Amino acid sequence: GNSVTQMEGPVTLSEEAFLTINCTYTATGYPSLFWYVQYPGEGLQLLLKATKADDKGSNKGFEATYRKETTSFHLEKGSVQVSDSAVYFCALRANAGGTSYGKLTFGQGTILTVHP
Amino acid sequence: SQTIHQWPATLVQPVGSPLSLECTVEGTSNPNLYWYRQAAGRGLQLLFYSVGIGQISSEVPQNLSASRPQDRQFILSSKKLLLSDSGFYLCAWSFTGGPYQPQHFGDGTRLSIL
Repeated sequence: GNSVTQMEGPVTLSEEAFLTINCTYTATGYPSLFWYVQYPGEGLQLLLKATKADDKGSNKGFEATYRKETTSFHLEKGSVQVSDSAVYFCALRANAGGTSYGKLTFGQGTILTVHP
Repeated sequence: SQTIHQWPATLVQPVGSPLSLECTVEGTSNPNLYWYRQAAGRGLQLLFYSVGIGQISSEVPQNLSASRPQDRQFILSSKKLLLSDSGFYLCAWSFTGGPYQPQHFGDGTRLSIL
Protein backbone atom coordinates (compact mmCIF):
# COMPACT_ATOMS: atom_id res chain seq x y z
CA GLY A 1 0.00 0.00 0.00
CA ASN A 2 0.88 3.68 0.00
CA SER A 3 2.78 5.26 2.86
CA VAL A 4 4.45 8.54 3.83
CA THR A 5 7.27 8.84 6.33
CA GLN A 6 8.30 12.16 7.85
CA MET A 7 11.30 12.93 9.97
CA GLU A 8 10.71 12.64 13.66
CA GLY A 9 10.14 15.87 15.52
CA PRO A 10 9.86 18.10 17.22
CA VAL A 11 12.15 20.45 15.36
CA THR A 12 13.31 23.53 17.25
CA LEU A 13 15.08 26.37 15.44
CA SER A 14 16.12 29.94 16.00
CA GLU A 15 14.62 32.67 13.85
CA GLU A 16 16.33 33.02 10.45
CA ALA A 17 17.70 29.46 10.56
CA PHE A 18 17.44 27.10 7.59
CA LEU A 19 14.68 24.50 7.73
CA THR A 20 14.53 21.02 6.25
CA ILE A 21 11.76 18.55 7.04
CA ASN A 22 12.34 15.23 5.34
CA CYS A 23 9.54 13.30 3.68
CA THR A 24 9.79 10.02 1.79
CA TYR A 25 6.98 8.02 0.28
CA THR A 26 6.02 4.62 -1.06
CA ALA A 27 3.43 4.44 -3.81
CA THR A 28 2.71 2.72 -7.08
CA GLY A 29 2.64 4.81 -10.21
CA TYR A 30 3.03 8.56 -10.10
CA PRO A 31 1.37 10.09 -7.04
CA SER A 32 0.75 13.79 -6.46
CA LEU A 33 2.57 15.17 -3.41
CA PHE A 34 1.50 17.85 -0.96
CA TRP A 35 2.67 19.72 2.11
CA TYR A 36 0.07 20.96 4.56
CA VAL A 37 0.57 23.25 7.56
CA GLN A 38 -1.54 23.27 10.71
CA TYR A 39 -1.35 26.23 13.08
CA PRO A 40 -2.44 25.68 16.70
CA GLY A 41 -6.17 25.08 17.04
CA GLU A 42 -6.81 25.30 13.30
CA GLY A 43 -7.46 23.00 10.37
CA LEU A 44 -4.89 22.04 7.76
CA GLN A 45 -3.92 24.51 5.05
CA LEU A 46 -2.41 23.46 1.75
CA LEU A 47 1.11 24.89 1.67
CA LEU A 48 2.39 23.61 -1.68
CA LYS A 49 2.06 20.76 -4.14
CA ALA A 50 3.85 18.95 -6.97
CA THR A 51 2.21 16.64 -9.46
CA LYS A 52 5.09 15.08 -11.43
CA ALA A 53 8.75 14.24 -11.13
CA ASP A 54 11.13 17.21 -10.81
CA ASP A 55 8.26 19.62 -10.17
CA LYS A 56 9.07 22.21 -7.51
CA GLY A 57 6.23 23.48 -5.38
CA SER A 58 6.72 26.78 -3.59
CA ASN A 59 4.73 29.13 -1.39
CA LYS A 60 5.49 31.68 1.35
CA GLY A 61 9.23 31.01 1.08
CA PHE A 62 8.81 27.24 1.43
CA GLU A 63 9.92 24.89 -1.34
CA ALA A 64 9.81 21.17 -2.04
CA THR A 65 10.97 19.23 -5.10
CA TYR A 66 9.37 15.97 -6.26
CA ARG A 67 12.28 13.51 -6.51
CA LYS A 68 11.10 10.27 -8.05
CA GLU A 69 14.53 8.64 -7.98
CA THR A 70 14.73 8.98 -4.21
CA THR A 71 10.94 8.94 -3.60
CA SER A 72 11.28 12.11 -1.55
CA PHE A 73 9.57 15.48 -1.16
CA HIS A 74 11.59 17.37 1.45
CA LEU A 75 10.30 20.71 2.68
CA GLU A 76 12.81 23.59 2.90
CA LYS A 77 12.84 27.23 3.87
CA GLY A 78 15.88 29.44 3.87
CA SER A 79 15.01 31.64 6.84
CA VAL A 80 12.26 30.65 9.27
CA GLN A 81 10.19 33.06 11.34
CA VAL A 82 8.46 32.65 14.67
CA SER A 83 5.18 32.70 12.77
CA ASP A 84 6.20 29.47 10.97
CA SER A 85 5.78 27.53 14.21
CA ALA A 86 3.20 24.87 13.37
CA VAL A 87 2.76 21.19 12.52
CA TYR A 88 3.72 20.23 8.98
CA PHE A 89 2.22 17.24 7.16
CA CYS A 90 3.47 15.57 4.02
CA ALA A 91 0.81 13.75 1.98
CA LEU A 92 0.36 11.89 -1.26
CA ARG A 93 -2.57 11.23 -3.54
CA ALA A 94 -2.26 8.04 -5.53
CA ASN A 95 -3.23 8.46 -9.16
CA ALA A 96 -4.85 5.06 -9.43
CA GLY A 97 -7.42 5.82 -12.07
CA GLY A 98 -10.88 6.45 -10.66
CA THR A 99 -10.57 4.25 -7.61
CA SER A 100 -8.68 6.44 -5.17
CA TYR A 101 -11.65 8.86 -4.67
CA GLY A 102 -9.19 11.62 -3.91
CA LYS A 103 -8.05 10.02 -0.69
CA LEU A 104 -4.76 11.22 0.75
CA THR A 105 -2.11 9.30 2.66
CA PHE A 106 -0.58 11.50 5.37
CA GLY A 107 2.69 11.38 7.24
CA GLN A 108 2.55 11.57 11.01
CA GLY A 109 3.33 15.29 11.10
CA THR A 110 6.38 17.23 12.27
CA ILE A 111 6.11 19.87 14.97
CA LEU A 112 8.20 22.96 14.24
CA THR A 113 8.96 25.53 16.93
CA VAL A 114 10.85 28.69 16.03
CA HIS A 115 12.32 30.82 18.83
CA PRO A 116 13.11 34.54 18.50
CA SER B 1 -14.01 30.61 -4.89
CA GLN B 2 -14.81 27.67 -2.67
CA THR B 3 -15.25 27.73 1.08
CA ILE B 4 -15.85 25.06 3.69
CA HIS B 5 -17.65 25.61 6.98
CA GLN B 6 -17.66 23.38 10.03
CA TRP B 7 -19.62 23.83 13.22
CA PRO B 8 -19.57 23.99 16.08
CA ALA B 9 -15.97 24.98 16.71
CA THR B 10 -15.95 23.41 20.15
CA LEU B 11 -18.29 21.00 21.86
CA VAL B 12 -18.40 19.45 25.31
CA GLN B 13 -20.68 16.43 25.63
CA PRO B 14 -21.36 13.87 28.36
CA VAL B 15 -20.70 10.19 27.78
CA GLY B 16 -23.73 8.50 26.23
CA SER B 17 -25.13 11.62 24.63
CA PRO B 18 -25.75 11.93 20.86
CA LEU B 19 -23.57 13.87 18.45
CA SER B 20 -24.11 15.79 15.25
CA LEU B 21 -21.32 17.72 13.54
CA GLU B 22 -22.03 19.52 10.31
CA CYS B 23 -19.90 20.50 7.35
CA THR B 24 -20.95 22.44 4.26
CA VAL B 25 -19.06 23.44 1.14
CA GLU B 26 -19.85 26.46 -1.01
CA GLY B 27 -18.78 27.40 -4.50
CA THR B 28 -18.56 23.97 -6.12
CA SER B 29 -20.79 21.06 -7.08
CA ASN B 30 -20.46 17.34 -6.43
CA PRO B 31 -17.29 17.51 -4.32
CA ASN B 32 -15.70 14.52 -2.67
CA LEU B 33 -16.15 14.93 1.09
CA TYR B 34 -14.14 13.53 4.00
CA TRP B 35 -14.26 13.29 7.79
CA TYR B 36 -11.04 12.92 9.77
CA ARG B 37 -10.21 12.60 13.45
CA GLN B 38 -6.96 13.93 14.84
CA ALA B 39 -5.65 12.90 18.25
CA ALA B 40 -3.17 14.95 20.29
CA GLY B 41 -2.51 17.48 17.48
CA ARG B 42 -0.90 14.88 15.22
CA GLY B 43 -1.85 11.85 13.15
CA LEU B 44 -4.90 12.24 10.91
CA GLN B 45 -7.24 9.26 10.72
CA LEU B 46 -9.70 9.14 7.82
CA LEU B 47 -13.10 8.12 9.18
CA PHE B 48 -15.49 8.46 6.20
CA TYR B 49 -15.55 9.69 2.66
CA SER B 50 -18.33 10.37 0.20
CA VAL B 51 -18.34 10.72 -3.58
CA GLY B 52 -22.01 11.68 -3.89
CA ILE B 53 -25.34 12.17 -2.15
CA GLY B 54 -26.18 9.17 0.00
CA GLN B 55 -22.86 7.46 -0.81
CA ILE B 56 -20.78 6.91 2.33
CA SER B 57 -17.68 4.75 2.74
CA SER B 58 -16.32 3.95 6.17
CA GLU B 59 -12.60 3.54 6.65
CA VAL B 60 -12.57 2.22 10.22
CA PRO B 61 -15.17 0.47 12.37
CA GLN B 62 -16.30 2.73 15.18
CA ASN B 63 -19.06 4.34 17.16
CA LEU B 64 -19.66 7.05 14.55
CA SER B 65 -21.66 7.32 11.34
CA ALA B 66 -21.80 9.81 8.49
CA SER B 67 -24.48 11.01 6.12
CA ARG B 68 -24.66 13.21 3.05
CA PRO B 69 -28.25 14.40 2.71
CA GLN B 70 -27.40 17.11 0.20
CA ASP B 71 -24.66 17.57 -2.40
CA ARG B 72 -22.53 19.90 -0.29
CA GLN B 73 -23.51 18.84 3.22
CA PHE B 74 -21.70 16.20 5.24
CA ILE B 75 -22.78 15.21 8.75
CA LEU B 76 -20.93 13.18 11.37
CA SER B 77 -23.13 11.53 14.00
CA SER B 78 -23.22 9.24 16.95
CA LYS B 79 -26.13 7.84 18.95
CA LYS B 80 -24.09 7.41 22.14
CA LEU B 81 -20.71 9.04 22.63
CA LEU B 82 -17.81 7.22 24.27
CA LEU B 83 -14.87 8.76 26.10
CA SER B 84 -12.66 7.56 23.26
CA ASP B 85 -14.58 9.76 20.80
CA SER B 86 -12.82 12.83 22.15
CA GLY B 87 -10.61 14.57 19.62
CA PHE B 88 -10.34 17.15 16.89
CA TYR B 89 -12.64 16.45 13.93
CA LEU B 90 -11.85 17.82 10.53
CA CYS B 91 -13.98 17.94 7.41
CA ALA B 92 -12.38 18.26 3.99
CA TRP B 93 -13.41 18.43 0.35
CA SER B 94 -11.77 17.92 -3.03
CA PHE B 95 -12.76 18.33 -6.65
CA THR B 96 -14.07 15.14 -8.16
CA GLY B 97 -12.30 15.36 -11.51
CA GLY B 98 -8.56 15.08 -12.13
CA PRO B 99 -5.87 13.09 -10.32
CA TYR B 100 -3.92 16.06 -8.97
CA GLN B 101 -6.45 17.73 -6.74
CA PRO B 102 -5.58 18.34 -3.09
CA GLN B 103 -8.04 18.28 -0.22
CA HIS B 104 -9.17 21.50 1.43
CA PHE B 105 -9.91 21.48 5.14
CA GLY B 106 -12.33 23.21 7.45
CA ASP B 107 -11.31 24.77 10.76
CA GLY B 108 -12.27 21.69 12.76
CA THR B 109 -14.40 20.88 15.79
CA ARG B 110 -12.79 20.23 19.16
CA LEU B 111 -14.91 17.56 20.88
CA SER B 112 -14.46 16.83 24.57
CA ILE B 113 -16.35 14.00 26.23
CA LEU B 114 -16.90 14.19 29.99
